[in-house]
This record gives sequence, structure tokens and C-alpha cells, in this order.
Amino acid sequence: DAGVIQSPRHEVTEMGQEVTLRCKPISGHDYLFWYRQTMMRGLELLIYFNNNVPIDDSGMPEDRFSAKMPNASFSTLKIQPSEPRDSAVYFCASSLGTGRMNTEAFFGQGTRLTVV
Amino acid sequence: AQKITQTQPGMFVQEKEAVTLDCTYDTSDPSYGLFWYKQPSSGEMIFLIYQGSYDQQNATEGRYSLNFQKARKSANLVISASQLGDSAMYFCAMREGTGFQKLVFGTGTRLLVSP
Repeated sequence: DAGVIQSPRHEVTEMGQEVTLRCKPISGHDYLFWYRQTMMRGLELLIYFNNNVPIDDSGMPEDRFSAKMPNASFSTLKIQPSEPRDSAVYFCASSLGTGRMNTEAFFGQGTRLTVV
Repeated sequence: AQKITQTQPGMFVQEKEAVTLDCTYDTSDPSYGLFWYKQPSSGEMIFLIYQGSYDQQNATEGRYSLNFQKARKSANLVISASQLGDSAMYFCAMREGTGFQKLVFGTGTRLLVSP
């Protein structure tokens, strides 16, 4: 398997524009996590899915953020409208989870978002 | 409430020396798992080691070992014989076992290994 694939790797956008980040988890994994990493806040869990169902979105900072997982092989994180304070590295990670707590999460390479 | 606490923003160690990175956690779930990840300057997240709450022995993986003190709720990472390539951010994470298994991270410790 190619691992968790995120796209794009880098995104520069203007304030107010819509941004969509994409993630393809490892085949067979039933958990998908979206994280945001900044210097100030470290690695924050934004939302996670189990079997394509959003379980906890309490980490999503505002209504401008939304995430979907239409099927087991694809998820998106959308920011609309984007603001400069959204600039961060966004990671997607997937893992086996149900009944298998000891399996680690595998991370994508991350998307570095810059909002100007 | 912070579930994972890493109190050392930065640590320095000389090459070939051992270093301990601290991690404390907070949970009332009797079933949980603790993970350590390394993030080098290139940015990827690399899994290092895992410790389960019911494991009787401390986990070890090569030069990495986990000093697990359940009563104190601590899971410190010990890196023996540090190498220059160990310079990176290190994150402690926890996954609670009951119900849905979210994975939450601490704020990380930056380790710098000097020659």
C-alpha cells in the first residue's frame, strides 16, 4: 500500500477563498483523523471518522471548517472562507481501531496551507 | 482538560548519551494505549513505540524504551545512545480503548543532539 496520501502538499490561497484538502487513507483502515499543526497549538485533533461516520468534530475551530468522508477511500477537509490564521500544516492519519487499540496511526505527508 | 502533557518544550543531549522525554496522561478509562512519534525537520510523523495499559513489561524498540509508570500516569520515552539523527520533535499520544478510539497528542518536545 502507498500509505496515506494527502493532496495538495502545499496550498497558497488568498483570504476569503475556499480551500479543500484531500486524503486517501490506507485501504482497510476504519479510522481516519484530521489534525492541524501549528507552532502555538501543536498537533490538534480536528475531527475523526469511524467507518466513514464522523464521531467527534469538537476540535473543528469554527463553522468555516467542514469535513466529509463519502466513502472508505476518500475524505476532504474544507475551509470556507479561509483566513490567515488558518495557515498551518494539516495532517490526515488512518488506522485500524475497532478492537485493535494497539495499532498505530499512519500519517500522510501533510498539506502546508498558507492563507495570505 | 489536557489529556497528554509534555512539560519539556526542548531538550539537549550529547551524542551517545541517553535522554528521557517526559509524558504524563490523564484518563479514567482502564483500557488505553500510549504512543510516541518522531517528527524530523522534514515534517513526516514516524511511529516509534507503543505501550498498552495492560502490558506487564515496559515496551522496547531498539534504542527506544518506554518507562511506563501506571500509578503515576506517566509514559516517558528513553532514547539510549543518542545519535545526531535523533534531533527532531517527539510527540506522546494516547488512545483510550473504550468506545470510539480517538487519538490525541501532547504538544511535543524538541530534542537537539549535539556532537
